[in-house]
Amino acid sequence: SAVISQKPSRDICQRGTSLTIQCQVDSQVTMMFWYRQQPGQSLTLIATANQGSEATYESGFVIDKFPISRPNLTFSTLTVSNMSPEDSSIYLCSVDRGNEQFFGPGTRLTVL
Amino acid sequence: QKEVEQDPGPLSVPEGAIVSLNCTYSNSAFQYFMWYRQYSRKGPELLMYTYSSGNKEDGRFTAQVDKSSKYISLFIRDSQPSDSATYLCAMSEGTGTASKLTFGTGTRLQVTL
Repeated sequence: SAVISQKPSRDICQRGTSLTIQCQVDSQVTMMFWYRQQPGQSLTLIATANQGSEATYESGFVIDKFPISRPNLTFSTLTVSNMSPEDSSIYLCSVDRGNEQFFGPGTRLTVL
Repeated sequence: QKEVEQDPGPLSVPEGAIVSLNCTYSNSAFQYFMWYRQYSRKGPELLMYTYSSGNKEDGRFTAQVDKSSKYISLFIRDSQPSDSATYLCAMSEGTGTASKLTFGTGTRLQVTL
C-alpha cells in the first residue's frame, strides 16, 4: 500500500481567491493523480502528474484553473485558482503502485 | 449514458446479511476492476482488485467480474455495522499511463444492529 497525506484537510475560501493543496507520499512513485469528488457525483480525474514533465489534463479541466506542480517523486501540489462556489468539492490525490491506486484522505474545500 | 453505472442506494441491511453491490459499464476496453470503501470524511480505501473476468475472494469479501455482460459485483458475507460506508466501483483500461480510473457514483451501505 502507500501512506499519503494531504494538506490542508479542509478549508473555507472566498470567491476569487486561490488555494494550493499539497500531497505527500511515503515513498517514490512515478505517477500521481488528482481527483475531484463533488456531492452525489463520481470521483473524476482532473489530471495526471509525472515528475519532470507537465501534467496531463482530462477533458473539461485546464492548467490555468488547476495548475499542478510535481517537483519530485514524493510530492505534488494542485492549485484551485480564481475559485467560485462551483469549485466546492473534495480534492483527492492518488498514487499508482503496481496495478493498484491508493488515495489520500482528501481536502474538503468550501467556496463562499 | 455514463461509462460506469452504480445504484447510489442507500442500501440498508441487518447485521449478518449477505450484501450484493453491483456496477455495469459500457467500455469493453476496461481490464482492471476495483472496489473501494469510503467512510464518511475519509479517502477511498482499496478493498479488492481484479484483472479481467473471474472471482476473487478475500475474507468476507468476494469480487466477481463478468466481462461478457459488462457487469461486476462485490459480495459481503456476514455483514457488520463496521461495513457501513460508501462502496465505489472503479475500472481502468490498463496500467501505467493507461491506469486512469473511471468510477461509479458509489452505493451507500448501512448495516443495522
